[in-house]
Amino acid sequence: GNSVTQMEGPVTLSEEAFLTINCTYTATGYPSLFWYVQYPGEGLQLLLKATKADDKGSNKGFEATYRKETTSFHLEKGSVQVSDSAVYFCALSDGGNTGKLIFGQGTTLQVKP
Amino acid sequence: GAVVSQHPSWVICKSGTSVKIECRSLDFQATTMFWYRQFPKQSLMLMATSNEGSKATYEQGVEKDKFLINHASLTLSTLTVTSAHPEDSSFYICSAMIRQDTEAFFGQGTRLTVV
Repeated sequence: GNSVTQMEGPVTLSEEAFLTINCTYTATGYPSLFWYVQYPGEGLQLLLKATKADDKGSNKGFEATYRKETTSFHLEKGSVQVSDSAVYFCALSDGGNTGKLIFGQGTTLQVKP
Repeated sequence: GAVVSQHPSWVICKSGTSVKIECRSLDFQATTMFWYRQFPKQSLMLMATSNEGSKATYEQGVEKDKFLINHASLTLSTLTVTSAHPEDSSFYICSAMIRQDTEAFFGQGTRLTVV
């Protein structure tokens, strides 16, 4: 079945460091891919998404490119801030229903000043 | 953006009792709501899909008689954990969407502890 694998955390970085959180997936068909962020005490928020191969999703300085050849959707940011500290989830849509999501296990990011 | 609210945020209950968790879409009508469960340091696992006015569709391995889902209106879905046991302790989170092919908005989650 479909699945998502994320790099294990926590990831600890200094402010202004470069961030990469790896995400790979296994899926039949052509799912949409998502990154969600969960700040402490809050619900999940959609960070960015890509709906087809080679699409690049971007938001708030974060980027991820849908790579079909490597079945990856790695999250990157050039310069992280303390306010980026959160848990990041990679997810894919299960079939055509974009609301039904399969999540990775989440990666905790801690950014220190 | 659209807001989904869950209540309560956390609850502690005794073994054998039932607990109801509410999921409300505050500023939109949700034709479909989803319930997920998250174990510590694990991913969110979809439990069921709930469509307004119809029975929920449960994922394989989820006991429908234990996790009762009701979606009586376009703004409210409830998850009732019946005869709760310590192994039901978990983080439960809902999401809601206006229609297919639109973004799903998530609630803040409910931490259930069964003692």
